[in-house]
Amino acid sequence: QKEVEQNSGPLSVPEGAIASLNCTYSDRGSQSFFWYRQYSGKSPELIMSIYSNGDKEDGRFTAQLNKASQYVSLLIRDSQPSDSATYLCAVSMNTGFQKLVFGTGTRLLVSP
Amino acid sequence: GAVVSQHPSWVICKSGTSVKIECRSLDFQATTMFWYRQFPKQSLMLMATSNEGSKATYEQGVEKDKFLINHASLTLSTLTVTSAHPEDSSFYICSARGTNQPQHFGDGTRLSIL
Repeated sequence: QKEVEQNSGPLSVPEGAIASLNCTYSDRGSQSFFWYRQYSGKSPELIMSIYSNGDKEDGRFTAQLNKASQYVSLLIRDSQPSDSATYLCAVSMNTGFQKLVFGTGTRLLVSP
Repeated sequence: GAVVSQHPSWVICKSGTSVKIECRSLDFQATTMFWYRQFPKQSLMLMATSNEGSKATYEQGVEKDKFLINHASLTLSTLTVTSAHPEDSSFYICSARGTNQPQHFGDGTRLSIL
């Protein structure tokens, strides 16, 4: 079983819709959770971090964490074509932000 | 804030050459730097973790004599790929973090060995 699992996609949504990206992780001791956006040929860019159960909102982005279900998600409201990228879920074992384990990423395509 | 600069962005060289990649934190002190490798259509794989002034900690399967890491200051880490071969061709990405801060990534170095 992979430590961090994501559907590779592509996830296709029309412009203006809500994109929902999901991630599950295997280690119940995981403490910190991150979503990174990676454009083709570029390095990852941090979008959201979340550490406690519930929702965390930042602009059009909402991260949701459910530690009991070992599940973390990212919602993108009012999706734009510029949101088209690969979204990487990353998990850390501790709150000291040490080693991150990345999922393989979900490719999001937002059509005009 | 939290800018990480990586240089060079692209390297093409002959087999057997050694290649040095630099990673700098421009506006913060990086207590820890990380080096990743990413093959096409795959996720990032952590190669090693380095703390300033200490020897790097390598992940299982990564040859420390082939991938030399130096973290001499709080703002600079280098990765040297020694005697590079075509199978070492990949996208190498560094990240850096300050104390109790998330990792921020450099722009990556695309290495092509002929």
